[in-house]
Amino acid sequence: EVQLVQSGAEVKKPGESLRISCKGSGYSFTSYWISWVRQMPGKGLEWMGRIDPSDSYTNYSPSFQGHVTISADKSISTAYLQWSSLKASDTAMYYCARLNIPAFSTWGQGTLVTVSS
Amino acid sequence: DIQMTQSPSSLSASVGDRVTITCQASQDISNYLNWYQQKPGKAPKLLIYDASNLETGVPSRFSGSGSGTDFTFTISSLQPEDIATYYCQQYDNLPPSTFGQGTRLEIK
Repeated sequence: EVQLVQSGAEVKKPGESLRISCKGSGYSFTSYWISWVRQMPGKGLEWMGRIDPSDSYTNYSPSFQGHVTISADKSISTAYLQWSSLKASDTAMYYCARLNIPAFSTWGQGTLVTVSS
Repeated sequence: DIQMTQSPSSLSASVGDRVTITCQASQDISNYLNWYQQKPGKAPKLLIYDASNLETGVPSRFSGSGSGTDFTFTISSLQPEDIATYYCQQYDNLPPSTFGQGTRLEIK
């Protein structure tokens, strides 16, 4: 079974750093791009960026470029989304999703990030 | 960036009703349009890809149509388990991929 399993919920203070993870299983991890999608409380879906796990090539949405970093470790079939300095406005649910062209056919369960002083 | 305008933003319908949601792209995206269903507290689920192709395992009451800039998503006979928010998504011009604002579907 193809699965993406994300790391657990996080509570952080403004200015702290954070890395959340997304582990793929049941398929060849390096054969499919992984995207990250943000959903702020009560709001819609926003595509943040994507990574090709085979070579770690990334694309970012202009809205998120410079604010987050997407990376991957193909040796452990895991993609990451990280922040160097969190803001309260980063409070959201974050999903990873596997791109099985042409669509996101498999999603992680989501990681809730809460940033509060 | 390509903007996706989805309407209505919310919809109330009765069990058995035919429900239609529209999505308009700010420029021609051919058929590069997907539809997702998101139930409360859950991750989105792919229903339709390439504008009109039903994802494996998705009930046939769901369908999609359109090309270019105008797209339609239809539930032929609304069931109680269809209560969710529905999103369109374009991938013609990536990055970025963009989603519509979502349509919240409720039972009347």
